[in-house]
Amino acid sequence: KAGVTQTPRYLIKTRGQQVTLSCSPISGHRSVSWYQQTPGQGLQFLFEYFSETQRNKGNFPGRFSGRQFSNSRSEMNVSTLELGDSALYLCASTETPHSGGAEAFFGQGTRLTVV
Amino acid sequence: AQSVTQLGSHVSVSEGALVLLRCNYSSSVPPYLFWYVQYPNQGLQLLLKYTTGATLVKGINGFEAEFKKSETSFHLTKPSAHMSDAAEYFCAVSEEAGNQFYFGTGTSLTVIP
Repeated sequence: KAGVTQTPRYLIKTRGQQVTLSCSPISGHRSVSWYQQTPGQGLQFLFEYFSETQRNKGNFPGRFSGRQFSNSRSEMNVSTLELGDSALYLCASTETPHSGGAEAFFGQGTRLTVV
Repeated sequence: AQSVTQLGSHVSVSEGALVLLRCNYSSSVPPYLFWYVQYPNQGLQLLLKYTTGATLVKGINGFEAEFKKSETSFHLTKPSAHMSDAAEYFCAVSEEAGNQFYFGTGTSLTVIP
């Protein structure tokens, strides 16, 4: 069974640009969550999608958005990039909406560098 | 709100020595607790988790953790460190009705030959 796939693995963008990251969950998993990992802030929750609906959103500005498609693949978009958006963006999938003791499977992440 | 504290951002042990990584949490309700490991340029891999039942949880690669409610702790241990254990370790908590993880800041483990 294939794991969580994130593309691309690495990205370099210029301030002010926008970027779209993609995540394909494990087959049969319908929930996708996104996390931002930085040395200063650690791992922070961005949002979760289940059945094409955003269930929860973390404390990030509106420049960060996402969506989920009918095949459960998810994309996140960051507009008007800032230097502080440089981070490793991790995607996690679960079979059902993430709750309690559900095990989440993480992708390898997309390393975004904003210059 | 949930919070997780990992004492010691960097821990060094000799190969073959005991590994002890500390994690304390704050939660107003019974939590679900996790340890994840991250190797360089990789995602997170689940080591073990506590949901209910036995408070001593065994995970992969010889790691185990004990849930101590009275101390609000979930420390990770391994009797004998191996070079391949060098990585970043994250403790995380989730609630029954929650839909996200709250992660600690991580502990970088170095294994000295």
